[in-house]
Amino acid sequence: QKEVEQDPGPLSVPEGAIVSLNCTYSNSAFQYFMWYRQYSRKGPELLMYTYSSGNKEDGRFTAQVDKSSKYISLFIRDSQPSDSATYLCAMSANYQLIWGAGTKLIIKP
Amino acid sequence: NAGVTQTPKFRILKIGQSMTLQCAQDMNHNYMYWYRQDPGMGLKLIYYSVGAGITDKGEVPNGYNVSRSTTEDFPLRLELAAPSQTSVYFCASSYRGGQGNTIYFGEGSWLTVV
Repeated sequence: QKEVEQDPGPLSVPEGAIVSLNCTYSNSAFQYFMWYRQYSRKGPELLMYTYSSGNKEDGRFTAQVDKSSKYISLFIRDSQPSDSATYLCAMSANYQLIWGAGTKLIIKP
Repeated sequence: NAGVTQTPKFRILKIGQSMTLQCAQDMNHNYMYWYRQDPGMGLKLIYYSVGAGITDKGEVPNGYNVSRSTTEDFPLRLELAAPSQTSVYFCASSYRGGQGNTIYFGEGSWLTVV
């Protein structure tokens, strides 16, 4: 079993839809949870991070952490074609990040 | 401010050849990293450095070497290239390590070993 599981997709939705991207993990020591966005042929860039459990909102993006279920989510409201990218979750308990495989998201105009 | 710069962008190597991927950052970051990204496998840490003169192995170090003689530069050396090293390589840096500190990535180097 991988330490972090993420559905690779692709996930294809129409413009304007609410998107839910998810990761599950097995290590209960993880405290920091991050979402990175990676456009095609580019390096990942940090989108959001949260510490421990709870929600964090930034514009159209909301990150949720449920430590009791070992489950994190990224919600995108009013999705735009420019949101089409691969979204990677990452988490850490110390200096080292453990990465999900990434979910490819396609927003259809 | 260029951020993290990697060269070359694309390279084809023959089995057994060696090469160096160059990486430089201009953000005065202490931590630097080399990752490889394979389809469906996420990012795997190859080597990292917490400062000039200090390097350590990540998850998948075999077949690679690094050095960190300056804060800015962190080259990755591939010795005796094998087809299993065909991948996309990302150099990255951060001010501090892990724990929610933002990691900044370069644009990647696409390597094919034939």
